[in-house]
Amino acid sequence: ETGVTQSPTHLIKTRGQQVTLRCSSQSGHNTVSWYQQALGQGPQFIFQYYREEENGRGNFPPRFSGLQFPNYSSELNVNALELDDSALYLCASSSDRELFFGEGSRLTVL
Amino acid sequence: GEDVEQSLFLSVREGDSSVINCTYTDSSSTYLYWYKQEPGAGLQLLTYIFSNMDMKQDQRLTVLLNKKDKHLSLRIADTQTGDSAIYFCAEIPTDSWGKLQFGAGTQVVVTP
Repeated sequence: ETGVTQSPTHLIKTRGQQVTLRCSSQSGHNTVSWYQQALGQGPQFIFQYYREEENGRGNFPPRFSGLQFPNYSSELNVNALELDDSALYLCASSSDRELFFGEGSRLTVL
Repeated sequence: GEDVEQSLFLSVREGDSSVINCTYTDSSSTYLYWYKQEPGAGLQLLTYIFSNMDMKQDQRLTVLLNKKDKHLSLRIADTQTGDSAIYFCAEIPTDSWGKLQFGAGTQVVVTP
């Protein structure tokens, strides 16, 4: 149990739709990062938020966006969904050198 | 492709030791991590090592770091069936705090 919770756990969308995924970070952690894990691959870094500001971004297009709230919880938004966006989306929270992951949100795009 | 490289599969008998190997890319990486992922689950942090260390031991887990060769290994002593999972090696490249760069993972299967 990492104290990082994500919702929803599973969802199905169609191409062109938009999705919002949510993450509650572990108590006291002010940094949240998001990762995309396609089937059979390692997670890929999407972006990181520190004290409500984006603080690093991976090789993902602008239709992937995020927010961090004053309580350090976070959202990942994906617009204009494509089939290749089907993946497990993982949130990690950290305050120091340890990054703890949630169980993920599995997105299927049809 | 992945910049952090791992072998894809390892089969080990229950009670034996497992050794999972990883080659990373950034010689200046400050921290190197091992995560475990069971089917349908998120990532569980097993251990991490600071780059100025050669070895770290934590109960059944031993991490060895060879900075010269950019090689990291995870040894699991007395492997149990509950250790069956995918193991990911990850580095934090220089000046990229929080951005973990993962390998493709090593699937470990423990047989009775």
